[in-house]
Amino acid sequence: GAVVSQHPSRVICKSGTSVKIECRSLDFQATTMFWYRQFPKQSLMLMATSNEGSKATYEQGVEKDKFLINHASLTLSTLTVTSAHPEDSSFYICSAREGAGIGTQYFGPGTRLTVL
Amino acid sequence: QQQVKQSPQSLIVQKGGISIINCAYENTAFDYFPWYQQFPGKGPALLIAIRPDVSEKKEGRFTISFNKSAKQFSLHIMDSQPGDSATYFCAASKGNAGKSTFGDGTTLTVKP
Repeated sequence: GAVVSQHPSRVICKSGTSVKIECRSLDFQATTMFWYRQFPKQSLMLMATSNEGSKATYEQGVEKDKFLINHASLTLSTLTVTSAHPEDSSFYICSAREGAGIGTQYFGPGTRLTVL
Repeated sequence: QQQVKQSPQSLIVQKGGISIINCAYENTAFDYFPWYQQFPGKGPALLIAIRPDVSEKKEGRFTISFNKSAKQFSLHIMDSQPGDSATYFCAASKGNAGKSTFGDGTTLTVKP
């Protein structure tokens, strides 16, 4: 199956700093990528949908100025957590949709963010 | 309103047994129903998926049963193995929007 990578896999930062997480589709082009947040023992919460070359669509309650998303190419989307605080500590997962229309979503391995 | 309801929350099965996880959805516009398997500290991995034009799909030990009129679908894991112990999520999505609505997850433990 298709492979999606995320970098870094784990990051620890100080409160107030910004953190960038990269999501790459390695062997397919992804016009749409999704960013999720997952708390321990909970389901995935969709944060935003990222379309190549256009602005991301954020879900209700997600601060777009806090979570900056850039989808610069068909294989790369980035999520920047700006001015991170301890409550932003979470597991962030991206996924990439293969093909147009109804396409399978492939998930990255996730990034564990810890804000001290 | 939770659009995809998943049950049970947790499940313990003996090795060799059948694991059954159920999901029910609200939105009749959903037309793609995948199941994902997630191990601790890892991202979800697509296990098997079905579209509403078929009632059943089987891949190895994994089978999805789909009941369109009841708006329900289920995952059956035959001959469950300890390595199947993970969290399973059902999901549903519609059309070109592509974004998935996930169930709350089921933690499966297969005892040796």
